[in-house]
Amino acid sequence: NAGVTQTPKFRVLKTGQSMTLLCAQDMNHEYMYWYRQDPGMGLRLIHYSVGEGTTAKGEVPDGYNVSRLKKQNFLLGLESAAPSQTSVYFCASSNPRGQTNYGYTFGSGTRLTVV
Amino acid sequence: DAKTTQPTSMDCAEGRAANLPCNHSTISGNEYVYWYRQIHSQGPQYIIHGLKNNETNEMASLIITEDRKSSTLILPHATLRDTAVYYCIVRVGGANNLFFGTGTRLTVIP
Repeated sequence: NAGVTQTPKFRVLKTGQSMTLLCAQDMNHEYMYWYRQDPGMGLRLIHYSVGEGTTAKGEVPDGYNVSRLKKQNFLLGLESAAPSQTSVYFCASSNPRGQTNYGYTFGSGTRLTVV
Repeated sequence: DAKTTQPTSMDCAEGRAANLPCNHSTISGNEYVYWYRQIHSQGPQYIIHGLKNNETNEMASLIITEDRKSSTLILPHATLRDTAVYYCIVRVGGANNLFFGTGTRLTVIP
């Protein structure tokens, strides 16, 4: 069972370039999330989705866009990369049951460097 | 979501129990306590969660005080592979975010 798969695992971009990070999950989870993690800090939520065709902003959404055209995929786009977006990006998914979200499943991360 | 306070770092001898404390004095009645860990830049891994009662699974035990203002994650027999950053999170069930603080860096010593 693959769980949550992120591609690519590493990428170096020049300032102003664009790219898309792909997250795919095979657990039929309803909710999906994109987080970023900077050195020595916890994870911060960028955007999330509570179902196919829906997206919402998290704590740090500026400079990013997302799409959830298929339930199993959640794409994170950087339209014009900036050095401040150098970070490790984690995708996660979860399946809410009633009033409780049981355990998020995280991908292994994408290490992005913007020069 | 309520704020949590955890020690910055802890050491534990291999084979001994690791007890990781977390204070969440402003927790409200509908907030759950979650624990995750992150091993060396991998994605965070869910460990356990609870509301009022103590919980145990194959990875750990979670002890929540009666007033729910603090909790302790117990790894009964720590191994070197348990070296990681451990995050204590409180959140309302169904909410759409996990707020990760800086966690506790647990180092298991041979």
